[in-house]
Amino acid sequence: GENVEQHPSTLSVQEGDSAVIKCTYSDSASNYFPWYKQELGKGPQLIIDIRSNVGEKKDQRIAVTLNKTAKHFSLHITETQPEDSAVYFCAASMGSGGYQKVTFGTGTKLQVIP
Amino acid sequence: NAGVTQTPKFRVLKTGQSMTLLCAQDMNHEYMYWYRQDPGMGLRLIHYSVGEGTTAKGEVPDGYNVSRLKKQNFLLGLESAAPSQTSVYFCASSRGPRETQYFGPGTRLLVL
Repeated sequence: GENVEQHPSTLSVQEGDSAVIKCTYSDSASNYFPWYKQELGKGPQLIIDIRSNVGEKKDQRIAVTLNKTAKHFSLHITETQPEDSAVYFCAASMGSGGYQKVTFGTGTKLQVIP
Repeated sequence: NAGVTQTPKFRVLKTGQSMTLLCAQDMNHEYMYWYRQDPGMGLRLIHYSVGEGTTAKGEVPDGYNVSRLKKQNFLLGLESAAPSQTSVYFCASSRGPRETQYFGPGTRLLVL
């Protein structure tokens, strides 16, 4: 089955700096890659996603890049703010038609230091 | 529009006891999911449903049962709780198989 590895497990950055979280996946059939942000005591919330037919997607300070050949994708957060502090999960999804299996990474705890 | 809600928020059980976790969504989503989250292991799918009256096994289904009698509700049951089931449980729903999953706030379960 699919295996998603996520690094680093923890990340501390100064406010205003950039943060990068990287994930690799094993199954070349995966075609959808969402990123979730989980704040303390809450459920994960989708922040950005990318499909396998594009290489990069941006939404304000957040961007995701995908390298299908190398089977890795990354989350980039620029101009970090204290409210960006949370646990971030990457995921890889595969399937067609009915149910699409989603495999999550193990999470990155991001701390933005004011 | 409350989104996805879960009941209860926290529960302590003794080994062998049973309980049911309730998930409700008001977005008219067809798909619903139950995950467990354990430290260092991310989210793992327990069971899912692709529509009212349907259920299917996920990655870690042993020790759990589910039911989807109404489209808006997805119940997760533990018939005989074990300490290994101590975890945080999240319910999610989505409009379709390749659509965004919306998560509830979670239920923290401690089995002694």
